[in-house]
Amino acid sequence: EAGVAQSPRYKIIEKRQSVAFWCNPISGHATLYWYQQILGQGPKLLIQFQNNGVVDDSQLPKDRFSAERLKGVDSTLKIQPAKLEDSAVYLCASSSSRGLNGELFFGEGSRLTVL
Amino acid sequence: GENVEQHPSTLSVQEGDSAVIKCTYSDSASNYFPWYKQELGKGPQLIIDIRSNVGEKKDQRIAVTLNKTAKHFSLHITETQPEDSAVYFCADPGAATGGFKTIFGAGTRLFVKA
Repeated sequence: EAGVAQSPRYKIIEKRQSVAFWCNPISGHATLYWYQQILGQGPKLLIQFQNNGVVDDSQLPKDRFSAERLKGVDSTLKIQPAKLEDSAVYLCASSSSRGLNGELFFGEGSRLTVL
Repeated sequence: GENVEQHPSTLSVQEGDSAVIKCTYSDSASNYFPWYKQELGKGPQLIIDIRSNVGEKKDQRIAVTLNKTAKHFSLHITETQPEDSAVYFCADPGAATGGFKTIFGAGTRLFVKA
């Protein structure tokens, strides 16, 4: 079974530029998550989708971050304009059970460096 | 709101010794308690989990114990090996209005010295 796919693996941009990350979850998983992991910290939930609807985006900085999950499968996370503090690994995860009593499957992450 | 505290933040043990990591949560409605392992350059991966109807679960060299009264659960690794060196996260899926969101602890960096 294929795992969660993310791209790009690495991205370096200058502040005020924009960047987009892509995620393809495990086939059949209805729930998709984007986490931000700053170096030395635990993953912080940015947004959670159930199919193509947003379940939680309370921690998403909506003035600069946006995410969509068209057709309830792939998802894109965009940052525009980027700030220095956005330097982090962006992890995508999926689950079959809305996270309730179930395992989250993570991709390898997209590492963003903002200069 | 939801809160997950994990300690120690760093743990160094000799190969063959045991390691214990403790996690404290605040959401009384929580009934599922997972532990994830993250190796360098990879995403976290579930290694063991426990549900609230049991107090302990074992899988070879790893075990998780749960104390719902005190709201904490612990990861136990016995006979540690160098490949156990990684960052370990506890998580609390919790019960939040409108859905369930998995909150992670800050992580414990485990070093196993050969």
